[in-house]
Amino acid sequence: NAGVMQNPRHLVRRRGQEARLRCSPMKGHSHVYWYRQLPEEGLKFMVYLQKENIIDESGMPKERFSAEFPKEGPSILRIQQVVRGDSAAYFCASSRTRDGPRNTIYFGEGSWLTVV
Amino acid sequence: AQSVTQLGSHVSVSEGALVLLRCNYSSSVPPYLFWYVQYPNQGLQLLLKYTTGATLVKGINGFEAEFKKSETSFHLTKPSAHMSDAAEYFCAVTTSNTGNQFYFGTGTSLTVIP
Repeated sequence: NAGVMQNPRHLVRRRGQEARLRCSPMKGHSHVYWYRQLPEEGLKFMVYLQKENIIDESGMPKERFSAEFPKEGPSILRIQQVVRGDSAAYFCASSRTRDGPRNTIYFGEGSWLTVV
Repeated sequence: AQSVTQLGSHVSVSEGALVLLRCNYSSSVPPYLFWYVQYPNQGLQLLLKYTTGATLVKGINGFEAEFKKSETSFHLTKPSAHMSDAAEYFCAVTTSNTGNQFYFGTGTSLTVIP
């Protein structure tokens, strides 16, 4: 899983600021997923993207959160006007194809966002 | 819809003792089941997975899990705990219908007592 690169690993933001989290998938992977882990909870699916397309954003909060995966460059998870409740670990994962269950997805080491 | 329940948010075992972490799932279609391990401030590492075929699945670090459809369970076991096994363990389910969206349990924190 070291192949999925996330940065920054730790980010501190004041309430009202913007947070940008970046994810570079493993080489050869064109499918990216973002998950959020709140304290004392399991991971919750947020969004699934392919290059230049959002495939499934059913887990994304309706406001302030957005994600993109441009043709060139990493996937970005953007949180505008952060609030304390956004403090969490955000994990990115990638896979080679869409058939995830048979084609293991690989997780990055996470980005820990702290809102003060 | 799919869901996972992990019974016991904290499990303690003595070094050398059997490790048993429980996972029950809910799915209306055949599930694909996974166990991941997370060490402090790190990402998730796949321990093992069940998709089809043999119901007893062997993973890394001596762990194994058995898919029991009748019990809707996928418990994780290891015959002899090692200090290095101390970590957070997550069970997850997905299906061919949900594609790549995984549903995770809330995790079980394993403590190994020397």
